[in-house]
Amino acid sequence: EPEVTQTPSHQVTQMGQEVILRCVPISNHLYFYWYRQILGQKVEFLVSFYNNEISEKSEIFDDQFSVERPDGSNFTLKIRSTKLEDSAMYFCASIPGTGRTEQYFGPGTRLTVT
Amino acid sequence: LAKTTQPISMDSYEGQEVNITCSHNNIATNDYITWYQQFPSQGPRFIIQGYKTKVTNEVASLFIPADRKSSTLSLPRVSLSDTAVYYCLVGVPGYSTLTFGKGTMLLVSP
Repeated sequence: EPEVTQTPSHQVTQMGQEVILRCVPISNHLYFYWYRQILGQKVEFLVSFYNNEISEKSEIFDDQFSVERPDGSNFTLKIRSTKLEDSAMYFCASIPGTGRTEQYFGPGTRLTVT
Repeated sequence: LAKTTQPISMDSYEGQEVNITCSHNNIATNDYITWYQQFPSQGPRFIIQGYKTKVTNEVASLFIPADRKSSTLSLPRVSLSDTAVYYCLVGVPGYSTLTFGKGTMLLVSP
């Protein structure tokens, strides 16, 4: 069964550094999402992406964040200048867009900002 | 967005049937009820979705009464591997975002 994959599984970075989290959604899926989950808290929506543009974003997704689908397979989340409070699990998700609406989540990237 | 209320936690033993109820008193006409499962350090996984009455798949059943103000996720004969957080979400199926609550932490013991 096809799966969403994410790399790296764990990233440690220093405050102020830029990080790029990578996702490969399931082939032929059309809608893409990033969520994050701070340890012990709820899964929170960050941004959705369709047709090569952001379709929706949350208040969390400020100017420090950006997303890109550079080559038709990868879907990346960039944090320009990480803060301690960016430490969380980041999940990528995708939807086929063929009438089915369940979201398929990746295994996540654990980001630790020191 | 319809607000949902679920128990914070539930305990069960292997082989038992587990029923997790979700309240959604202000569910709208076009809303569906969807359940996701999340294991520790993994992304949520879709379990089941329904609009009314009963839906069953290979993993679970979803019971929705006529007034649709609540729903019950039923897991038959749970095993240790069913220990996870279960989320009830209410909304119009589509391509917009998912809003997760705190979910129900199900602990299955031997």
